[in-house]
Amino acid sequence: EPEVTQTPSHQVTQMGQEVILRCVPISNHLYFYWYRQILGQKVEFLVSFYNNEISEKSEIFDDQFSVERPDGSNFTLKIRSTKLEDSAMYFCASSERGQGVGGGYTFGSGTRLTVV
Amino acid sequence: DQQVKQNSPSLSVQEGRISILNCDYTNSMFDYFLWYKKYPAEGPTFLISISSIKDKNEDGRFTVFLNKSAKHLSLHIVPSQPGDSAVYFCAASEVGGSARQLTFGSGTQLTVLP
Repeated sequence: EPEVTQTPSHQVTQMGQEVILRCVPISNHLYFYWYRQILGQKVEFLVSFYNNEISEKSEIFDDQFSVERPDGSNFTLKIRSTKLEDSAMYFCASSERGQGVGGGYTFGSGTRLTVV
Repeated sequence: DQQVKQNSPSLSVQEGRISILNCDYTNSMFDYFLWYKKYPAEGPTFLISISSIKDKNEDGRFTVFLNKSAKHLSLHIVPSQPGDSAVYFCAASEVGGSARQLTFGSGTQLTVLP
């Protein structure tokens, strides 16, 4: 069964450093997403990406965050200057079509980001 | 602002019996609802969904019921199996947009006892 692959599974970084979280979505999917889950809290939407541009973003997704699909297969989330409160599990997801047209996303296993 | 609420953080059920997981929402613009299952150290896995034009959708042991007037949905698992033990998230998406975000509930930990 096709999978969404995320690397690394765990990333530890110092506060103020830049991190890039990587994702390989399912190959025929057109919509890409990042979500995060802070320990003990809900899964929260960050951003959706379609047709090489951001489709929607949440309040969490401020200027410190950016997304890119550099080569047609990878989908990356960059945090420019990490803060302690960025520590969370970050999930990448992809879908063949936008929501509401049947089916759900396929999520990756997540990258646990720890900012120290 | 909890637009999607799962008021029961945990539920224990005997193997073979029915598990009923509940979810309430407040945003009347939600028109599509989904249930996800999550095991530790894994991403959420899509289970079943329902559009607001329906009141029931069934897939094998899983059935989702939607009561729009009450802004309530539920997931029924019959019969429950020990492998169903996981955190179950209710999620919803809103009308409009080409790639719509999901709003998740806080999850219910289901434990199916052998």
